Amino acid sequence: ELKVEQNPLFLSMQEGKNYTIYCNYSTTSDRLYWYRQDPGKSLESLFVLLSNGAVKQEGRLMASLDTKARLSTLHITAAVHDLSATYFCAVDDHYGGSQGNLIFGKGTKLSVKP
Amino acid sequence: EPEVTQTPSHQVTQMGQEVILRCVPISNHLYFYWYRQILGQKVEFLVSFYNNEISEKSEIFDDQFSVERPDGSNFTLKIRSTKLEDSAMYFCASRSWVTFPSEQYFGPGTRLTVT
Repeated sequence: ELKVEQNPLFLSMQEGKNYTIYCNYSTTSDRLYWYRQDPGKSLESLFVLLSNGAVKQEGRLMASLDTKARLSTLHITAAVHDLSATYFCAVDDHYGGSQGNLIFGKGTKLSVKP
Repeated sequence: EPEVTQTPSHQVTQMGQEVILRCVPISNHLYFYWYRQILGQKVEFLVSFYNNEISEKSEIFDDQFSVERPDGSNFTLKIRSTKLEDSAMYFCASRSWVTFPSEQYFGPGTRLTVT
C-alpha cells in the first residue's frame, strides 16, 4: 500500500528566508504532484514531476524528484507572505495498478511572517 | 481555459438524508475521480471512474456511496444516508488519460455539512 509522508506539517517562516518541504513515499512511482491549497479553496496544481531527476521551478518555488530515494522536495526561496498556504504532495499509484488515483500527504501548512 | 465545475458549492443536510453532489469534468477527459477532505486533514481518494464503470474505490467508499455518469457531461456522487462523519469537502477531478503526460484537474469542491 502506497503511503506518502510529508514534513514538516507546520512551518512558520520569516519573509526572505529559505526552506524545504520534504515528501517521502513508500512504493515505486515516477509521478508526483505538488498542489497548493488556500483556506476553504480547491487544489491548485503547482508542479508535475514525471521522471527521476526532474526539477521544475516557478517563481520562488522549486520542486525536484528522486525516484530512487522515493523523495521529492519543494524548496522555497526568499519567502513572501503570499506564499502562505497549505502545500500537498500527491503520488500517482499507477504502479500499484490503479487508474491514476492520487495518494496525498498530510500537507504542510506554511505561514510566512513579516 | 477548460475547468472542472461542481455544484452546489455548499450543501447542508440532516443525518440520514440522501445527497447528490454534481460535477462537470473537462469535456475531453476520460477518467473521473472523487476525493474528500475532512476539515483540516489530508485529501483522501474515494473512487475512480472510467468507461462508465468504477475502476477503483477506497475503503471509505462503502455501500452508502455511489457514482454515476447520467449523461455525457455530468458525473455525480450520491450518499444514500448521510452520517455526521460524512461532513467534508468533496472534490471532483478529471484527467484525459493515464499515460505520459497526465495531470488531474480538480474542481472547486462542495462543502457538505451533515447536521
